[in-house]
Amino acid sequence: GQNIDQPTEMTATEGAIVQINCTYQTSGFNGLFWYQQHAGEAPTFLSYNVLDGLEEKGRFSSFLSRSKGYSYLLLKELQMKDSASYLCAVRGTGGGKLIFGQGTELSVKP
Amino acid sequence: EPEVTQTPSHQVTQMGQEVILRCVPISNHLYFYWYRQILGQKVEFLVSFYNNEISEKSEIFDDQFSVERPDGSNFTLKIRSTKLEDSAMYFCASSEDRGAGNTIYFGEGSWLTVV
Repeated sequence: GQNIDQPTEMTATEGAIVQINCTYQTSGFNGLFWYQQHAGEAPTFLSYNVLDGLEEKGRFSSFLSRSKGYSYLLLKELQMKDSASYLCAVRGTGGGKLIFGQGTELSVKP
Repeated sequence: EPEVTQTPSHQVTQMGQEVILRCVPISNHLYFYWYRQILGQKVEFLVSFYNNEISEKSEIFDDQFSVERPDGSNFTLKIRSTKLEDSAMYFCASSEDRGAGNTIYFGEGSWLTVV
């Protein structure tokens, strides 16, 4: 089966750092992706990991451990506009589909 | 920056009616996808499409659903006889390839409300 778990909600303060965790169990693995989704809008790509380790893109970083089935998204210098849902998704083999987790609703407070 | 475009942005339809949702994937992309998101729930995979045929589909994608690439640019999702539970946001997506390093880009979505 396929299972992707992430916390439902998180709250953080403007200017702070927040880490959103994701664990997964999937039958095929071809990369782990993080997307941001504001309410009523499309998911927008943030970061992906194929190999173990940390990938940094500006204020966003993502980490992957394939042996542990674990990833996290790190957001630094939080801004109010970062309030959104953050989706962890595993790309499968075959047709390359993404399987999404439930999403983590992040609220950034002043 | 190239983007995936979808029409209509909103559609209200009566139960039992046919609906066609349209998408124009990014021009050099070869893999196309439809996803749906019921309000308050997670994004769910429906179908992937490559080389003019379905490469993978989920349990949701039953006989009521079909996809087509009628010309070189459009990619459509048809729901033959809509049900109340088909009410959702439908996202079209595309990627250049299916490999690990290829990002899947999403369109803005089509809100479908079945009444």
